Amino acid sequence: DQQVKQNSPSLSVQEGRISILNCDYTNSMFDYFLWYKKYPAEGPTFLISISSIKDKNEDGRFTVFLNKSAKHLSLHIVPSQPGDSAVYFCAARPEAGSYQLTFGKGTKLSVIP
Amino acid sequence: EPEVTQTPSHQVTQMGQEVILRCVPISNHLYFYWYRQILGQKVEFLVSFYNNEISEKSEIFDDQFSVERPDGSNFTLKIRSTKLEDSAMYFCASNLFPYNEQFFGPGTRLTVL
Repeated sequence: DQQVKQNSPSLSVQEGRISILNCDYTNSMFDYFLWYKKYPAEGPTFLISISSIKDKNEDGRFTVFLNKSAKHLSLHIVPSQPGDSAVYFCAARPEAGSYQLTFGKGTKLSVIP
Repeated sequence: EPEVTQTPSHQVTQMGQEVILRCVPISNHLYFYWYRQILGQKVEFLVSFYNNEISEKSEIFDDQFSVERPDGSNFTLKIRSTKLEDSAMYFCASNLFPYNEQFFGPGTRLTVL
């Protein structure tokens, strides 16, 4: 039961270019979405989030886009840096009343110097 | 910067033994969570805890699991009789308000032999 899907297990990008990580979801009850970054031997670190009432949220080099009709979100990293190399998880949370996060399987981003 | 801490970083146990995984959430946080990640799979929600009660639990969180906040700082996950399939990375998380992002600890790797 994959309610949150990250179909690309890995992505390689040149330093300075844009990284685009994609996420699809099937549960229409999800209304809050988050991206986490994870380095080996560490826990997930919160990166950026977006509520379903918005279609874009920006924080420095990171921008998340949400397309509710397509049940799709993406994370853009511009410009990509070698330190961005990590596993990126998309997570979603339903409407108020449940605060558990449902995670995707993750996409391993490698930024090549 | 305050962070969630977890001990031990790695726990090895024999099948059928009891284990207690410990977490110290961020000090002013009120909501606490446990997640697990089996190798190669996605991060899965186990349980959330607020005001000394379980708020939500998943199907995974069966009778062999229990959580406790024994004092003002620790949050523990007990597995009563471990099984081979309990081998996973266990992450603790916390937040001040349930609708905010969750902050994760570095995890405890549990190996059941």
